[in-house]
Amino acid sequence: AQSVTQLGSHVSVSEGALVLLRCNYSSSVPPYLFWYVQYPNQGLQLLLKYTSAATLVKGINGFEAEFKKSETSFHLTKPSAHMSDAAEYFCAVSETGGFKTIFGAGTRLFVKA
Amino acid sequence: DTAVSQTPKYLVTQMGNDKSIKCEQNLGHDTMYWYKQDSKKFLKIMFSYNNKELIINETVPNRFSPKSPDKAHLNLHINSLELGDSAVYFCASSFKIGETEAFFGQGTRLTVV
Repeated sequence: AQSVTQLGSHVSVSEGALVLLRCNYSSSVPPYLFWYVQYPNQGLQLLLKYTSAATLVKGINGFEAEFKKSETSFHLTKPSAHMSDAAEYFCAVSETGGFKTIFGAGTRLFVKA
Repeated sequence: DTAVSQTPKYLVTQMGNDKSIKCEQNLGHDTMYWYKQDSKKFLKIMFSYNNKELIINETVPNRFSPKSPDKAHLNLHINSLELGDSAVYFCASSFKIGETEAFFGQGTRLTVV
């Protein structure tokens, strides 16, 4: 069965600094991996997804993530944080041929002025 | 035009009552889901329907009964509401179960008093 772990329930960065949100997954078959963002009082929106094509995936709002099979990781990065990036971020995994997507516990990103 | 819409957005009710949450998607997706997000933002799948057929029932109390009258609708009925049912409930849909990203509704914040 698949699982996903997000390291750090809260991450705080200064505006303009690098954003790094960590995600490690477990899957017995090739996984599909997703990052979603949730703004206050809203539903989740897809940032990017990995579906076995390029290992470096670019998403919306300047975010990108790299799939590293050897490390079972799919960390989310953004070179320069903006105040509008403050939100909850969820990493998620589903399995090839599987029926469900499992979400991590979420990481709250704070951006300081 | 909202892709996944759910009503109501807020629901406050007393213990023991029965309530329903409605969800509709206009994306033409075959798969729809119900997720529960608790106060710590943890997101857990409750049900998954594919082509109106129940695929996943994640050990949810049988007080919760999903109903899918057609592929575009997935409603959630909850009987005998309990304090612990208080949460945000999200409806979502996807093109292909498990393998593609989910599109989320705005959520229904249920408060049981």
